[in-house]
Amino acid sequence: QKEVEQDPGPLSVPEGAIVSLNCTYSNSAFQYFMWYRQYSRKGPELLMYTYSSGNKEDGRFTAQVDKSSKYISLFIRDSQPSDSATYLCAMRFKAAGNKLTFGGGTRVLVKP
Amino acid sequence: GAVVSQHPSWVICKSGTSVKIECRSLDFQATTMFWYRQFPKQSLMLMATSNEGSKATYEQGVEKDKFLINHASLTLSTLTVTSAHPEDSSFYICSARGGEANSPLHFGNGTRLTVT
Repeated sequence: QKEVEQDPGPLSVPEGAIVSLNCTYSNSAFQYFMWYRQYSRKGPELLMYTYSSGNKEDGRFTAQVDKSSKYISLFIRDSQPSDSATYLCAMRFKAAGNKLTFGGGTRVLVKP
Repeated sequence: GAVVSQHPSWVICKSGTSVKIECRSLDFQATTMFWYRQFPKQSLMLMATSNEGSKATYEQGVEKDKFLINHASLTLSTLTVTSAHPEDSSFYICSARGGEANSPLHFGNGTRLTVT
């Protein structure tokens, strides 16, 4: 079993819909959680960074962390074709020196 | 926000030659940088952790003599793929952490290496 599980997709939604992404993890010691967006042939771009259970909102993006269930989510409201990309969740321990453990990534396609 | 610049963005080289990839933190000092490798449709695989002024720490299965890492300053780390072979063809991505201990990682735009 992988430490971080993420559905590879592809996830196809119509423009304007809400995109719902999630990751589950097995190690309760993970403390910091990130979501990255990666376009084809580009490096990952940080979208959200959280370290506590609950919700965090930034523009059209909302990140949720449920440490008791070992489950994190990312929601994208009013999705646009430019949101079409691969979304990677990542997490790390408190004292890991920033060594990240990544999910496998979910490919998202927003159709106009 | 923190900006990480990686160069070149793509390179084609002949088998047996060496290729150097640079990773720079443009607006912050990075004591630690990380080098990743990514195969098509797969997630990032950590290769090594690069610490300024000291030897890099390599992940299990990564040949340190094959992938030479030099982190000579707080804003520059280099990865040299020595005696490249076609199986080294991949997407290499560096990342760096900002100044604070709990700040997140920011990534460069990657280097696509093709060995012919």
